[in-house]
Amino acid sequence: GQNIDQPTEMTATEGAIVQINCTYQTSGFNGLFWYQQHAGEAPTFLSYNVLDGLEEKGRFSSFLSRSKGYSYLLLKELQMKDSASYLCADGYGGATNKLIFGTGTLLAVQP
Amino acid sequence: DTEVTQTPKHLVMGMTNKKSLKCEQHMGHRAMYWYKQKAKKPPELMFVYSYEKLSINESVPSRFSPECPNSSLLNLHLHALQPEDSALYLCASSQGQGGSNQPQHFGDGTRLSIL
Repeated sequence: GQNIDQPTEMTATEGAIVQINCTYQTSGFNGLFWYQQHAGEAPTFLSYNVLDGLEEKGRFSSFLSRSKGYSYLLLKELQMKDSASYLCADGYGGATNKLIFGTGTLLAVQP
Repeated sequence: DTEVTQTPKHLVMGMTNKKSLKCEQHMGHRAMYWYKQKAKKPPELMFVYSYEKLSINESVPSRFSPECPNSSLLNLHLHALQPEDSALYLCASSQGQGGSNQPQHFGDGTRLSIL
């Protein structure tokens, strides 16, 4: 089955670094996605990891450890506009492109 | 603005009405999806179409009926909905089958309210 866990809420300060963790327990693992969703808007794709290690994309980086069923999203140089919900999603199901989302982490960036 | 367009943005309907939600993408993607999202919850997968054929139905009640007229369009027909069906309905598309590194691109959603 699928069991994806994230912290419900986090608060950080503008200019700081924040790490949002995600743990998963799935069979048929097919990669780990991170999405950002601002209130009332569509989720937007941030990153994808299928192999162990760190993927860096500008201010955002994502890490995966398959043996530990663990991922994190690292946000650097936080800006107020980074206040949003961050969704970790497992690409589950082998040949099918089926996303199972975690509960999401609501990040509040304060001045 | 997203590359997946959904209409209408808002819809209010009674429990006896019939309405349709529409989704369109012109990225050449061959997989399209419907998700339901309740407030402060993550999106939940409803249906997956792959190459215009229904490949996944997540045990969705028959009052929701998907349709994929062509590779660019995806509809969700609604009939006899219940108040608990009020939610944000998101459409997404991706290049094709195979999870690999094919991110799903989401539309802005239709906010549906059932009276």
